[in-house]
Amino acid sequence: QQQVKQSPQSLIVQKGGISIINCAYENTAFDYFPWYQQFPGKGPALLIAIRPDVSEKKEGRFTISFNKSAKQFSLHIMDSQPGDSATYFCAAANSGSARQLTFGSGTQLTVLP
Amino acid sequence: ETGVTQSPTHLIKTRGQQVTLRCSSQSGHNTVSWYQQALGQGPQFIFQYYREEENGRGNFPPRFSGLQFPNYSSELNVNALELDDSALYLCASSLDGRGETQYFGPGTRLLVL
Repeated sequence: QQQVKQSPQSLIVQKGGISIINCAYENTAFDYFPWYQQFPGKGPALLIAIRPDVSEKKEGRFTISFNKSAKQFSLHIMDSQPGDSATYFCAAANSGSARQLTFGSGTQLTVLP
Repeated sequence: ETGVTQSPTHLIKTRGQQVTLRCSSQSGHNTVSWYQQALGQGPQFIFQYYREEENGRGNFPPRFSGLQFPNYSSELNVNALELDDSALYLCASSLDGRGETQYFGPGTRLLVL
């Protein structure tokens, strides 16, 4: 019930291409969906987040698409750059008093120069 | 503005020992959450402290315990270490108990032999 499923596990994209990572959830109590970027040896850093009352949010080259009825959301990275090579995690937080994050299993993105 | 800091960066312990990990929250943040990240996995929520009180707990046994101090820094204590406790332990701070944006520290890498 608390699980967030993420795919693909790994992704290789050419420089300038579009990277797409997908996540699905079951728990309808989730009402906040962030994406985190993690480089080796570092903690996760917040990239962009969305609430279920909007279907899309864009910040620079990063866009979240959200489908509430399908309980799915995705991250699109436009014009992917080698510096975007990292592990990306989707997450979801419930509406309880402690905004604990439930993370997906991660996608290792490699952008080839 | 000072970010989230954690100490130590790396730690090696043997099975059955006890360990204490430390976290200093970002300036102005009164909430600290702890996560365990096994190799190749997404972070898993351990517990959260808000104004020195435990404000939520994930599916971790009681040998995982914590503290938050008046300056909002925090400790994670793990007793009777097991091999499976080997992981990256992440601390995240947020503005309040319902703060959605969680800022992660670089983590402490724990190896249990």
